[in-house]
Amino acid sequence: NAGVTQTPKFQVLKTGQSMTLQCAQDMNHEYMSWYRQDPGMGLRLIHYSVGAGITDQGEVPNGYNVSRSTTEDFPLRLLSAAPSQTSVYFCASSYLGRGQRVNTEAFFGQGTRLTVV
Amino acid sequence: DQQVKQNSPSLSVQEGRISILNCDYTNSMFDYFLWYKKYPAEGPTFLISISSIKDKNEDGRFTVFLNKSAKHLSLHIVPSQPGDSAVYFCAASGDTGGFKTIFGAGTRLFVKA
Repeated sequence: NAGVTQTPKFQVLKTGQSMTLQCAQDMNHEYMSWYRQDPGMGLRLIHYSVGAGITDQGEVPNGYNVSRSTTEDFPLRLLSAAPSQTSVYFCASSYLGRGQRVNTEAFFGQGTRLTVV
Repeated sequence: DQQVKQNSPSLSVQEGRISILNCDYTNSMFDYFLWYKKYPAEGPTFLISISSIKDKNEDGRFTVFLNKSAKHLSLHIVPSQPGDSAVYFCAASGDTGGFKTIFGAGTRLFVKA
């Protein structure tokens, strides 16, 4: 049981480049999400999904796209990288709790450290 | 507008003493609260949670207290150990329109041996 796997662990991009951060989970969790962690800002929700084919925006969605074609995978796409997107990105997954609510513990990946120059 | 606030960026405690980490929230629709622990270069890991129908939840050395009227929760660690040194995040979710868990900025705990 690998849990939540993120690739790559580190990435350097030039301004304007695009890339996809990969996230996969093997726990059959319905709910998956992407966060970015910045100093003094904590973890901010970018996008989330409650199942295959269903995605929605979080707190800071601009400049990012997501898709959920399978239960296992939830890639995050940077369309045109900007220095403001330099951050550590975490993918997380969890079951949906009673009443289809997000009230269960989330499992996080190890993170991707992205630098945009 | 920060809906979940951890106003202490850092806290230093002597080994064996109590650590108290605080968290305030503004959205009254939050009804489930979690604490996560994060070591450097690792992802956050779940520590303990509490539903709004309770005011206390205990798990070993960790206890979370919830004061709904004050929109305040706290995490108590007793006794504190050097291995508890990490960043602690408070998080909240509820019927806020969408399936979102909102995190605070985190508090870095140093436990001195």
